[in-house]
Amino acid sequence: AQSVTQLDSQVPVFEEAPVELRCNYSSSVSVYLFWYVQYPNQGLQLLLKYLSGSTLVKGINGFEAEFNKSQTSFHLRKPSVHISDTAEYFCAVRKAAGNKLTFGGGTRVLVKP
Amino acid sequence: NAGVTQTPKFQVLKTGQSMTLQCAQDMNHEYMSWYRQDPGMGLRLIHYSVGAGITDQGEVPNGYNVSRSTTEDFPLRLLSAAPSQTSVYFCASSYRRTAGGNTEAFFGQGTRLTVV
Repeated sequence: AQSVTQLDSQVPVFEEAPVELRCNYSSSVSVYLFWYVQYPNQGLQLLLKYLSGSTLVKGINGFEAEFNKSQTSFHLRKPSVHISDTAEYFCAVRKAAGNKLTFGGGTRVLVKP
Repeated sequence: NAGVTQTPKFQVLKTGQSMTLQCAQDMNHEYMSWYRQDPGMGLRLIHYSVGAGITDQGEVPNGYNVSRSTTEDFPLRLLSAAPSQTSVYFCASSYRRTAGGNTEAFFGQGTRLTVV
């Protein structure tokens, strides 16, 4: 079975500063990787996904993530955050041949002015 | 195109009461699932379905039932609510087959349930 670990439960960051959210996964088979964002009192929205190919993937709102197979990581980055990026971010994994999504515990990002 | 629709958005139940959380999607997705979200624990899979008439248990199925009589609908039933079931519930749907890169799940807005 796969598992996902998000190493930081909360990340405070100042506006216009960079942010990195860490995600590590474990799986014995090929996987697809996802980052979702949840704004307050809303559902989850896909930020980006890695299926195959280039290890650097770009998503919406200026976010990008890098897949590192040797370190089994899929860290999310944004070079300059806005107040509107305040949200909870979830890393998720699914087997390439399956459907079930397994989520990490989430990282709450608070952007301060 | 409404996507995934969950009702109700909020619900308060007394211990022992029963209720059904509704979920409907209009994207013709084969795969549907229910998650509960608790602080610090991310989303945990309760039940899922790979198509009409087929359901299976996820990580935390106890206390919940599901059925899938149509492709569009996937209701979640709480037979006898307990305070431990206080949570935010999300329904999600996706294509079962991933041709064309259609791999992501689409989520409803959630149902915030409180059991007192």
